[in-house]
Amino acid sequence: GAVVSQHPSWVICKSGTSVKIECRSLDFQATTMFWYRQFPKQSLMLMATSNEGSKATYEQGVEKDKFLINHASLTLSTLTVTSAHPEDSSFYICSASLQRSGANVLTFGAGSRLTVL
Amino acid sequence: QKEVEQDPGPLSVPEGAIVSLNCTYSNSAFQYFMWYRQYSRKGPELLMYTYSSGNKEDGRFTAQVDKSSKYISLFIRDSQPSDSATYLCAIHSGGYQKVTFGTGTKLQVIP
Repeated sequence: GAVVSQHPSWVICKSGTSVKIECRSLDFQATTMFWYRQFPKQSLMLMATSNEGSKATYEQGVEKDKFLINHASLTLSTLTVTSAHPEDSSFYICSASLQRSGANVLTFGAGSRLTVL
Repeated sequence: QKEVEQDPGPLSVPEGAIVSLNCTYSNSAFQYFMWYRQYSRKGPELLMYTYSSGNKEDGRFTAQVDKSSKYISLFIRDSQPSDSATYLCAIHSGGYQKVTFGTGTKLQVIP
């Protein structure tokens, strides 16, 4: 089945530093990946849609200069949180899109928990 | 009005009980319906997806869609402690359109 690998699973960094999170589709090609953010006891908040070979599409209110997304190949998308601050601490999850009988079925990575000190 | 409404719970049931999880949605353009299970500190995993109104069964899980009422359900038979997780409904209108998630219902199955 489709597998999405995401790492690191957790990271602690100092305020002002940048952190990169990788998302890989292991056994399929993903032209479209999605990056979500999840706060405790809340649902998934879509941050951006990552398209291979083109610029990411960001949701309203998400700072594209803060959350840099690169989708350079059909199997890899990265999210870089630049100049991280404590309010960026969250659970970040990537997903790859697979079409099944017209349904946009998302396969998720295991998530990355970011803590900014 | 939110596009998708889901009771956050928590919902506690004894082992072996039948669990009913529900979502309502507001946009009739939504055509595809999915249920995901998320264990604590993990990414969601797909349980089931459906397109049409009616029931779809997979083992102990049954997904039900009523498009006329804009109401979707997930039933879990013979619930097990390992079913304890947060269940998220997800809907979208097709193609590569954005998937909209419910807030998730936290389920605890007590041995």
